Amino acid sequence: KAGVTQTPRYLIKTRGQQVTLSCSPISGHRSVSWYQQTPGQGLQFLFEYFSETQRNKGNFPGRFSGRQFSNSRSEMNVSTLELGDSALYLCASSLGQGTEFTGELFFGEGSRLTVL
Amino acid sequence: GQQVMQIPQYQHVQEGEDFTTYCNSSTTLSNIQWYKQRPGGHPVFLIQLVKSGEVKKQKRLTFQFGEAKKNSSLHITATQTTDVGTYFCAGLSEGSNTGKLIFGQGTTLQVKP
Repeated sequence: KAGVTQTPRYLIKTRGQQVTLSCSPISGHRSVSWYQQTPGQGLQFLFEYFSETQRNKGNFPGRFSGRQFSNSRSEMNVSTLELGDSALYLCASSLGQGTEFTGELFFGEGSRLTVL
Repeated sequence: GQQVMQIPQYQHVQEGEDFTTYCNSSTTLSNIQWYKQRPGGHPVFLIQLVKSGEVKKQKRLTFQFGEAKKNSSLHITATQTTDVGTYFCAGLSEGSNTGKLIFGQGTTLQVKP
């Protein structure tokens, strides 16, 4: 079964621009989480979606937003990019049966964003 | 908010030596998970611990969940070069039924052959 697919894998933007990242979860997985990974900061939780609803949100400014579609695919958007937004953005899917979080996260390869 | 601290941040060992990373949460956890990220790769699930005091083994890896469900450890016996990578713990706060899994900063393990 196909894994979690993230696109694009690499992108370069300039300050002030906006970016949209896409994530296709494993078939049958209804929960999608997004994390920002930077050296020394580990994985910082951005948000989690389940059945098109944002269930949880991390401590990121409103410039970071996301959504989930009826087929469980998810997108995240960062507007007015800043240099500090340069990072690896990881998407992870899980079963999320019903309203409960269940089991392990399956991560995609990530989208590496560089802001110049 | 919930915080998960992990120590040490880095560890260099000689092949064959043991390695341990520790994870501490500011809140009681319903479960804790461990992930490994190889250099240039993405985190991959290793194990989940749910019960207070639980100990699980995977070959040379031993995982423990504290009695108070606020700390955990991963111990690797006789490290090999294939163990190189960053090990993350991730916790779900007790009472939370939604997917806000909070990760520690990770421990990066280097193994000298």
